[in-house]
Amino acid sequence: EPEVTQTPSHQVTQMGQEVILRCVPISNHLYFYWYRQILGQKVEFLVSFYNNEISEKSEIFDDQFSVERPDGSNFTLKIRSTKLEDSAMYFCASSASGSPYEQYFGPGTRLTVT
Amino acid sequence: AQSVTQLDSQVPVFEEAPVELRCNYSSSVSVYLFWYVQYPNQGLQLLLKYLSGSTLVKGINGFEAEFNKSQTSFHLRKPSVHISDTAEYFCALDRGSTLGRLYFGRGTQLTVWP
Repeated sequence: EPEVTQTPSHQVTQMGQEVILRCVPISNHLYFYWYRQILGQKVEFLVSFYNNEISEKSEIFDDQFSVERPDGSNFTLKIRSTKLEDSAMYFCASSASGSPYEQYFGPGTRLTVT
Repeated sequence: AQSVTQLDSQVPVFEEAPVELRCNYSSSVSVYLFWYVQYPNQGLQLLLKYLSGSTLVKGINGFEAEFNKSQTSFHLRKPSVHISDTAEYFCALDRGSTLGRLYFGRGTQLTVWP
C-alpha cells in the first residue's frame, strides 16, 4: 500500500540554524500539507500546497517557514532560523483531491531545537 | 472559528469492554468530521469520516461514530476493544474549504489492559 514517507525521523539542531524536513507524498496525490504537534498540544495546520503554490497557511507559518516541491516526488519544509519553540513533531500529509478527501499522513519528524 | 474538543486525554479500559471516546466541535459552517488513529512511531491513519447522509458511520477495525448536529458531537465507539486498539485517537474537523485544512483535537490515549 502506498504511504507517505518522511526523513529524518529525528532532527536535533541548534537555535538559529536552518533545517529542512523532507517528505515524499504518495505519487499520484496533488495536495500536500504540513502539520505540527508540540508535545502535549494539538496537531496544528501549517500550510497546504497545490499546483506548485501555497494554497493556505496558518498564522504559525510566518516568514521563517517555506515549502517547496523541488522535483516530482519531494515536498520540503524549511525553517530558516530555528527557535526553541519550533521543537515539535512535524507531519507531512498528502491527498488525491482537496476537501473532504482523505489525507494520508507520514510518520512525522521529531525536531528538537537546543 | 472552528475548534475541536476531546474531553478525555486518557481512557483506560479492559480488553473486551466497550469504549467511547468523546469529541465535540464548534463551527459556524457545515463541517466534515474525521477520526484518526496513531499507533506508536506511525503516522495518523484515517479510521472513519462523516461527510453527509447517515449520522452513524462505520470505520475500520470495528469502530463507529455518530454525528449529532444538535449536540455538536462526533463520539467514537467500539463495542469490544482489543489490546491492539491501544493508540492515540484524534478527532478532526474540515470546514469544507476545498483545500482540506484539518482542525484537530488534542487526542485521546486509549490504553487497553488485559
